[in-house]
Order: sequence, then structure tokens, then C-alpha cells
Amino acid sequence: QVQLQESGPGLVKPSETLSLTCSVSGGSVSSASYYWSWIRQPPGKRLEWIGFIYYTGSTTYSPSLQSRVTISLDTSKNQFSLKLSSVTAADAAVYYCARREGVGIDYWGQGTLVTVSS
Amino acid sequence: SYELTQPPSVSVSPGQTATITCSGDKLGNKYACWYQQKPGQSPVLVIYQDTKRPSGIPERFSGSNSGNTATLTISGTQAMDEADYYCQAWDSSTFYVFGPGTTVTVL
Repeated sequence: QVQLQESGPGLVKPSETLSLTCSVSGGSVSSASYYWSWIRQPPGKRLEWIGFIYYTGSTTYSPSLQSRVTISLDTSKNQFSLKLSSVTAADAAVYYCARREGVGIDYWGQGTLVTVSS
Repeated sequence: SYELTQPPSVSVSPGQTATITCSGDKLGNKYACWYQQKPGQSPVLVIYQDTKRPSGIPERFSGSNSGNTATLTISGTQAMDEADYYCQAWDSSTFYVFGPGTTVTVL
């Protein structure tokens, strides 16, 4: 059973960089069968896809966030990470890491709440 | 940018059929997925690639996608099916777009 666990600061100051890590167990981020994704959900709002990374390191980002997002892979630790720069209050959300197989997102982490405040 | 719309809420009696729609321009030309999310929990994939059910998802969940509308149908709805349901469209140019969600209430 694949499990994903997000970790990182729950509070980020405006204009700073949000950094989160997703630890994967029960599966490998080096697998050619999956893409590893970040998705967020502001409180009471819809899900928003941020981007995903393939085992080759190839990334695809949401056009609306592309200029501020970096997703990277650490195969030695079986982890992948998210960096979102220049955050504002609009970036406050529950951030989920997840696994994409085909067109569906089949495994999700429990989510981590990130607040943006000085 | 690509937009999806869903009704805010659907009410259904136990044992009856709940139908949730998701509309988008030429949505039938994309793949649709559906996710169930209960309060305080992560989303769960219930339908992928328009009509397919992941392992462990009850047969009462079914999906279709044609024209501008994808539909999630819950047959014989149970109290445990109360949740928010999000549609999601995918293609190689849109990537992932989510709908606003529909709250299903089992009365």
C-alpha cells in the first residue's frame, strides 16, 4: 500500500518561499509508471493542481503558477519536494502530495495546512 | 483557461440514485475523473478515465462522459456516500482542472 506524507513549515511569511517535502513509502518515486504531484485546496474552495514530476525529473506545472513553482525529486530518499516563491495570502491552503497513474490521481497524502502571515 | 461547472448541491434519499453533472466545453473529448472528499479527509478517486472504477470502489459508483457533460451516478445511495464530489478533466493540453465541487446530502 502506497503512503505519502507531507512535511514542512505550517507558517510562511508573505513574499517568502514555501517549501514542502513528500515522503513516499510502499512505492518508488523512480518508477516509470507514475507521476508525482502537488495539489492544493484553499479552505472551503476547490482543488487546484500545482504540477507533477516524472522519475526522469521532467516537470509540468500549472500555467497559473508556473513562474513561481519548482518541483524536484530525491530518489535517494524516495521523496519529492515543492517550492513556491513569493507567497501571498492567496497561497494559504491545504497542500497535498499525490500519485498520478494514467489520468487519475490514485493516492493522496493526508495534506498539510500552510498559513501565510507575518 | 479551461473551466468546469458543477451544481453546488444534490440531495438524495437513502437507496435512491444521485446524479452529479460536470460541464465544460467539449468535455467529452477529454478524460474525466471524479473524487469523493469527506470533511477533514483527503480526496478519494472514485471514477477515472470517464467510466472506470478503481479497486475497492463500490459498484454503485458509475460514470459517463459525452459532449459537454460528464456525469457521476451513485445508485442505491447510502449515508456513507455523503461527501463533496469533485470532477476533474485531463488532456495533454489542459492537464488537470478541477470543478468547484458538489455536496451530496443523503436525507
